[in-house]
Amino acid sequence: KNQVEQSPQSLIILEGKNCTLQCNYTVSPFSNLRWYKQDTGRGPVSLTIMTFSENTKSNGRYTATLDADTKQSSLHITASQLSDSASYICVVSAEGYQKVTFGTGTKLQVIP
Amino acid sequence: GAGVSQSPSNKVTEKGKDVELRCDPISGHTALYWYRQSLGQGLEFLIYFQGNSAPDKSGLPSDRFSAERTGGSVSTLTIQRTQQEDSAVYLCASSLQKNTEAFFGQGTRLTVV
Repeated sequence: KNQVEQSPQSLIILEGKNCTLQCNYTVSPFSNLRWYKQDTGRGPVSLTIMTFSENTKSNGRYTATLDADTKQSSLHITASQLSDSASYICVVSAEGYQKVTFGTGTKLQVIP
Repeated sequence: GAGVSQSPSNKVTEKGKDVELRCDPISGHTALYWYRQSLGQGLEFLIYFQGNSAPDKSGLPSDRFSAERTGGSVSTLTIQRTQQEDSAVYLCASSLQKNTEAFFGQGTRLTVV
């Protein structure tokens, strides 16, 4: 069964600090992995998309890593800002019919 | 349009009624996806369209749910004989083609009373 697990479930950090969110998956055959940011009451917004051959991809203060051998990904947020408070969702797609499996997300709260 | 548009943004319906949710994808996007997000739950895949065809309908929770896409553009998700457990935010996303970045709409919040 395809599964995507994220940790931690929730996280509170001080503004300016760094944090790392984890995503482990069992989706096979793997196609791509995406990280989304979802503000409360809004639709998810894409941060990065990574394919099998990509190990690291950055988008501003967000850096995602992918280890396809261990089926793990991480999202590192540098110098956090209050606006980073949101849910971060890991989404993994399998080859074929583009069926996607979502993680339940990590709820990040950045406090001043 | 500039982004994925969904309507209505909110819908309150009585149990047993049918509802129709609409999604206008970004122009030119061939792939369209429907998801459901229940309160406190993660996103749940419902159905995926490539053009007008849906190669994967396995995510639809019951035969009360159906979806269609016409002209390779607008899609409607229909829920017949709604139940209270159908209450959720229904999100639509589109991408230029499969395996490319997907853009989400703001969702339709469905409440079944």
